[in-house]
Amino acid sequence: TAGITQAPTSQILAAGRSMTLRCTQDMRHNAMYWYRQDLGLGLRLIHYSNTAGTTGKGEVPDGYSVSRANTDDFPLTLASAVPSQTSVYFCASSATSADTQYFGPGTRLTVL
Amino acid sequence: EDQVTQSPEALRLQEGESSSLNCSYTVSGLRGLFWYRQDPGKGPEFLFTLYSAGEEKEKERLKATLTKKESFLHITAPKPEDSATYLCAVNWGAGGTSYGKLTFGQGTILTVHP
Repeated sequence: TAGITQAPTSQILAAGRSMTLRCTQDMRHNAMYWYRQDLGLGLRLIHYSNTAGTTGKGEVPDGYSVSRANTDDFPLTLASAVPSQTSVYFCASSATSADTQYFGPGTRLTVL
Repeated sequence: EDQVTQSPEALRLQEGESSSLNCSYTVSGLRGLFWYRQDPGKGPEFLFTLYSAGEEKEKERLKATLTKKESFLHITAPKPEDSATYLCAVNWGAGGTSYGKLTFGQGTILTVHP
């Protein structure tokens, strides 16, 4: 099985533009997560969803929004990108919010 | 402040030279401790989950152990292909908003020379 797929693999975005990072899982996991990974800061949680139809804020949610219309998809939207959002973004999922999280391959985003 | 600290930041080993990586945590209400391996340009790959002090898990040359305040990832007779960044994460909290959210350490960059 594919597990978790993310798109695009990488993107260069002009500041002020909007963008949606896509994440799809085929494991029928209830919980999904978005993290950003920055050198020296490690992985930090942006938003999470414990089940379809619900979402919650993580450690660094400002400037980002998410939706969870169904079990499989969990898109992350940057409404108006800023250079500080340059990072590598990882989507993850777990069977429940207490279980092991499995990560996707990541999206490298550069905001100029 | 609740946190997760990994040491050392970087470790260089010769092939066959066994060693250990450390992950110490100061969170309350540990629900699980996770070890991941991350290769450059890729997402973290799950290795182990430990739930209670005294628990041990093994996989090939890797063995993870857990005490009340720290976890060790022991690497026995490492090979160059074991070179990667090893991440530790804890799932903690008494429930509510902390439930299911991982706090990651900074990682240990392991390099194994042939």
